[in-house]
Amino acid sequence: KAGVTQTPRYLIKTRGQQVTLSCSPISGHRSVSWYQQTPGQGLQFLFEYFSETQRNKGNFPGRFSGRQFSNSRSEMNVSTLELGDSALYLCASSSRSLSGELFFGEGSRLTVL
Amino acid sequence: GIQVEQSPPDLILQEGANSTLRCNFSDSVNNLQWFHQNPWGQLINLFYIPSGTKQNGRLSATTVATERYSLLYISSSQTTDSGVYFCAAVIGGATNKLIFGTGTLLAVQP
Repeated sequence: KAGVTQTPRYLIKTRGQQVTLSCSPISGHRSVSWYQQTPGQGLQFLFEYFSETQRNKGNFPGRFSGRQFSNSRSEMNVSTLELGDSALYLCASSSRSLSGELFFGEGSRLTVL
Repeated sequence: GIQVEQSPPDLILQEGANSTLRCNFSDSVNNLQWFHQNPWGQLINLFYIPSGTKQNGRLSATTVATERYSLLYISSSQTTDSGVYFCAAVIGGATNKLIFGTGTLLAVQP
């Protein structure tokens, strides 16, 4: 069974641009969540989706948005990029709707210049 | 707010030594996971352990939910055990939202 797949793995953008990251969960998993990892702030929760519905959102500005499709694949978008958005973005999926074991992808490493 | 705290922040061991990493959480948990982050950034699942004790080879974990802590034991450490270890908890609500600790950076020297 394939794991969580994230694309692209690496990307470089400039300030002011926007970026879209993609996450394909483990087959059969309908719960998808996103996390941002930076050296200063550690691992922080961004969003959580279940069956195309956003259930939770972390404390991030409105420039950060996401969605989940009917096949459970998810995307997140960051508009008007800032230098501080440089981070490793991790996606996780779970087979359970709550309190399930989460499995993470390899991440998308974003550098904003 | 809800907190997950890990100790120690850094740990240096000689190969073959044993270690215990601790995770304290501020409220009752519905999920508690331990991860090892590999050099490329991926979080590797070690244990899903909301309560009780589990073992997997040289690693074992115990969560005492009533006392709000979890322990990760590494026995006979190897250089490949080096890296950052995170605990993370789901606290309250109908959710899979994980709250992460700040991690323990482990260095195993040959």
